[in-house]
Amino acid sequence: DTGVSQNPRHKITKRGQNVTFRCDPISEHNRLYWYRQTLGQGPEFLTYFQNEAQLEKSRLLSDRFSAERPKGSFSTLEIQRTEQGDSAMYLCASSLARTGSYSGANVLTFGAGSRLTVL
Amino acid sequence: GQQVMQIPQYQHVQEGEDFTTYCNSSTTLSNIQWYKQRPGGHPVFLIQLVKSGEVKKQKRLTFQFGEAKKNSSLHITATQTTDVGTYFCAGPQAGTALIFGKGTTLSVSS
Repeated sequence: DTGVSQNPRHKITKRGQNVTFRCDPISEHNRLYWYRQTLGQGPEFLTYFQNEAQLEKSRLLSDRFSAERPKGSFSTLEIQRTEQGDSAMYLCASSLARTGSYSGANVLTFGAGSRLTVL
Repeated sequence: GQQVMQIPQYQHVQEGEDFTTYCNSSTTLSNIQWYKQRPGGHPVFLIQLVKSGEVKKQKRLTFQFGEAKKNSSLHITATQTTDVGTYFCAGPQAGTALIFGKGTTLSVSS
């Protein structure tokens, strides 16, 4: 297993354009998370999936952001009509949630991230 | 909503000195996790604490979970240059998403 893979690693776009990031999680992991990180800050939760179901979305997530995980494997995060404030590192993470256990089972394995620069 | 706060934000030490970072949650946590992010890298899981008052050690790193399960600390004994990076604590909020603190960035001079 090669871990969590994210593409592209870097994306430079002009304001108003749409961008899409892809995340391939660890194959046996059933949960997939998207976080955003800006300089000097911790990862900020955006949304997460269990298999193909999107179970939670941050209230901070603008309606310009949409995430999918159609077959419960890879996921895409699309940002429409990008703004300069969207410039950040977008981190994907995956975990294996075991049924019948406490939520402490959610140890995250992060990918290397996709860095977005909006000009 | 739940908040996770860390202090200090930055810490510079001489190699060989000790280092401690503190984490406080606005709510009781079922567990707390610690991650390390090297400069230019991504967060990497270090440890998870579950029990009230739990103490775990990883070589020179000692992790504690408070009795009330609302605070935690990471102590590094005799820092080395390889300890450089940002240390994050994270706790699950009402759902299952982990909420991260802003981290403590450690720099070490030799």
